[in-house]
Amino acid sequence: AQTVTQSQPEMSVQEAETVTLSCTYDTSESDYYLFWYKQPPSRQMILVIRQEAYKQQNATENRFSVNFQKAAKSFSLKISDSQLGDAAMYFCAYRSRGGSQGNLIFGKGTKLSVKP
Amino acid sequence: NAGVMQNPRHLVRRRGQEARLRCSPMKGHSHVYWYRQLPEEGLKFMVYLQKENIIDESGMPKERFSAEFPKEGPSILRIQQVVRGDSAAYFCASSLRGLAEAFFGQGTRLTVV
Repeated sequence: AQTVTQSQPEMSVQEAETVTLSCTYDTSESDYYLFWYKQPPSRQMILVIRQEAYKQQNATENRFSVNFQKAAKSFSLKISDSQLGDAAMYFCAYRSRGGSQGNLIFGKGTKLSVKP
Repeated sequence: NAGVMQNPRHLVRRRGQEARLRCSPMKGHSHVYWYRQLPEEGLKFMVYLQKENIIDESGMPKERFSAEFPKEGPSILRIQQVVRGDSAAYFCASSLRGLAEAFFGQGTRLTVV
């Protein structure tokens, strides 16, 4: 069975600085998706970025980028120029490309604080 | 275009009562997923439904929990005879197709007293 591990329960970053959140996963599959979701205090789950395993190029979305290391099964999220609005829980998630088609497997999350 | 709508946002039930959680997917979406989030935990998959069909219920507890997505109306997650351990946030997500991006609702926080 696939697992997702986020080893940093909490992280803190100074406004305008850069922070990296770690995520590792375990799978025997070769084709899958990886995601980072943001959950602010409102509890809404917001998709931040996604990566398809067959793509070697790291995904980027504005200030958010990932470092995808398929062999190491590592998928870290880098937030550049951190803003106060980035403060939230961040969840890493895995989904098989086939199978049940939608079954996301989540890590336990990292709580990010942004200091003004 | 309204997003995924869940209601109620908060639900309090006494032990032994029934809880009904509703989820209206985004317009045009026919795939619905339910997840449960316990305190200090990530979301855990419960069930995947299409209209009138349960596709995958591998994450559903064997007893007291059921889900449906009728031809008309919202998807319903039903918990019978609730216990304190059922207290959690329950999230619904919907997608246009099975492999398309899933959009989440704001969740229902169930508290069992």
